[in-house]
Amino acid sequence: ETGVTQSPTHLIKTRGQQVTLRCSSQSGHNTVSWYQQALGQGPQFIFQYYREEENGRGNFPPRFSGLQFPNYSSELNVNALELDDSALYLCAIDGYNEQFFGPGTRLTVL
Amino acid sequence: KNQVEQSPQSLIILEGKNCTLQCNYTVSPFSNLRWYKQDTGRGPVSLTIMTFSENTKSNGRYTATLDADTKQSSLHITASQLSDSASYICVVSRMDSSYKLIFGSGTRLLVRP
Repeated sequence: ETGVTQSPTHLIKTRGQQVTLRCSSQSGHNTVSWYQQALGQGPQFIFQYYREEENGRGNFPPRFSGLQFPNYSSELNVNALELDDSALYLCAIDGYNEQFFGPGTRLTVL
Repeated sequence: KNQVEQSPQSLIILEGKNCTLQCNYTVSPFSNLRWYKQDTGRGPVSLTIMTFSENTKSNGRYTATLDADTKQSSLHITASQLSDSASYICVVSRMDSSYKLIFGSGTRLLVRP
């Protein structure tokens, strides 16, 4: 167990809707990263938050946004959902020289 | 272009047999290389992590090798078990942007009884 939890585990939305995914860890970590993993592919980096500020961003449009809270929990928000947004969304916290991943949220967009 | 390529894409072996998975990368400047195991629908779990100066690292029945000159890595699984059935992902970290890990597409391993 990595101690990283994500909610919900599964989610079904329709095109155009908005979604919020959540991530938290048992112990406080000040760096959290979010990834999108399409079926059969490796995870793609969305962005990273460090001490509540965005610290880096991958090749994702602005409708993907995030928040990190003082208790180091984090949210990923996606607006105007598209069919291609269907994927497993992973958050990861930084340990010493490695990342610990949560179990992911499976998002299906119909 | 920074890329990580893995082979084979999928592999089926019998329980108790050994297998080797390959990873080639073009990431520069190189910081470290990691192998993760990912069960279906779950988050990746770290198996090994190697820096430039390390050329082999073991974790139980898993042994990873790294050749930084040829930019190749392998993951060897010994005496496979049914629970080894998963995707194995090679991940490379860049020295100049530690937050941006570059993931391979993974090798999907199926161990049959």
